[in-house]
Amino acid sequence: SQTIHQWPATLVQPVGSPLSLECTVEGTSNPNLYWYRQAAGRGLQLLFYSVGIGQISSEVPQNLSASRPQDRQFILSSKKLLLSDSGFYLCAWSVLPQHNRFFGPGTRLTVL
Amino acid sequence: KNQVEQSPQSLIILEGKNCTLQCNYTVSPFSNLRWYKQDTGRGPVSLTIMTFSENTKSNGRYTATLDADTKQSSLHITASQLSDSASYICVVSVVQTGANNLFFGTGTRLTVIP
Repeated sequence: SQTIHQWPATLVQPVGSPLSLECTVEGTSNPNLYWYRQAAGRGLQLLFYSVGIGQISSEVPQNLSASRPQDRQFILSSKKLLLSDSGFYLCAWSVLPQHNRFFGPGTRLTVL
Repeated sequence: KNQVEQSPQSLIILEGKNCTLQCNYTVSPFSNLRWYKQDTGRGPVSLTIMTFSENTKSNGRYTATLDADTKQSSLHITASQLSDSASYICVVSVVQTGANNLFFGTGTRLTVIP
């Protein structure tokens, strides 16, 4: 069966510090991978998605970037965090974009 | 504008009681509608997915309905349990290429009390 992992589970970082969140998927090959952010009282916002190694599409211009160094690894990064980057970050995968999304456990990021 | 609206924002019910959550959408062209359950601090988990031609779909004590004409969906929970306490998110998918084809509601926060 397929599983999706995210770490860390929680993170508290000062403004201006770098960020690296990691997501890995097991039990499937060549998944479509996604990074979402969930702010309080708002729906999930798609940040990045990837259809293959090294292929990244950005949906929202922002302070963040994403990379896919391996087939089942997706990384969300920032060089300098802003207060507005605080939120709950969810990684997800699907077989194809029109198929069901399977979400990871999420990372709670607090920028102080 | 493609939007998904859910009501109520929050709901408190007694254990064992039934409840119904609502979802209205203006998304077009419609592909499918999904209901997710999200426990606090966890990722959403899919409950049901319905296409245009499906009116009702059940998953245990969860029953989702879809009226594609009025663009409304509901999620009915029967004989609620404490473990049903969570946020329930309605997600509507459009027919388009690319990955940004999902529109998320803000969720209904359900609390089941003993």
